[in-house]
Amino acid sequence: NAGVTQTPKFRILKIGQSMTLQCTQDMNHNYMYWYRQDPGMGLKLIYYSVGAGITDKGEVPNGYNVSRSTTEDFPLRLELAAPSQTSVYFCASSWPSTGAGNQPQHFGDGTRLSIL
Amino acid sequence: AQKITQTQPGMFVQEKEAVTLDCTYDTSDQSYGLFWYKQPSSGEMIFLIYQGSYDEQNATEGRYSLNFQKARKSANLVISASQLGDSAMYFCAMREEYNQGGKLIFGQGTELSVKP
Repeated sequence: NAGVTQTPKFRILKIGQSMTLQCTQDMNHNYMYWYRQDPGMGLKLIYYSVGAGITDKGEVPNGYNVSRSTTEDFPLRLELAAPSQTSVYFCASSWPSTGAGNQPQHFGDGTRLSIL
Repeated sequence: AQKITQTQPGMFVQEKEAVTLDCTYDTSDQSYGLFWYKQPSSGEMIFLIYQGSYDEQNATEGRYSLNFQKARKSANLVISASQLGDSAMYFCAMREEYNQGGKLIFGQGTELSVKP
């Protein structure tokens, strides 16, 4: 029972480099999300997707891009990495739900990214 | 304005005692869901409990219960018989009806330390 799998778990990048954070889920969830968590803070939404081919911006999308070509995969791309992007990144997925719907989001274990 | 407010940055509780973690929220939606997540020092996000805005009874899941006071817009997490393994960050989150994509809004968290 893998759930949501994120790779890599840790990464150090130099300023200006690019990389892709991988996220895959095996629960056939339509909805997927990327969050970042800065030290001592809650999670902030970067991008989300309600299905293959459909993505939309969250609260803090600048400096990131996503794609959703399959139900299972939702990679997050960092272009021109900056120190402000040092954070822990979480991918999550859920069944479709709005408002009082009781479907929780299921999270991966996170990717700890440092930009030096 | 903050949508989710957790006013206790840190809390201490003696092992085997009960503890209440506060969460207040702000929404004009009639249909919304409230979630609590636990984040141990290992970093993963673990779903604990859910309360829907239409639920008349407080949610319970094992040692976790939710003290839901709709008129006061509060959804406090109660952990009974605290255990050392309960030491972690706890996040309250809300999903609103109008917020498409089932997005969650997180509070800043409360760090709970359980003393032996």
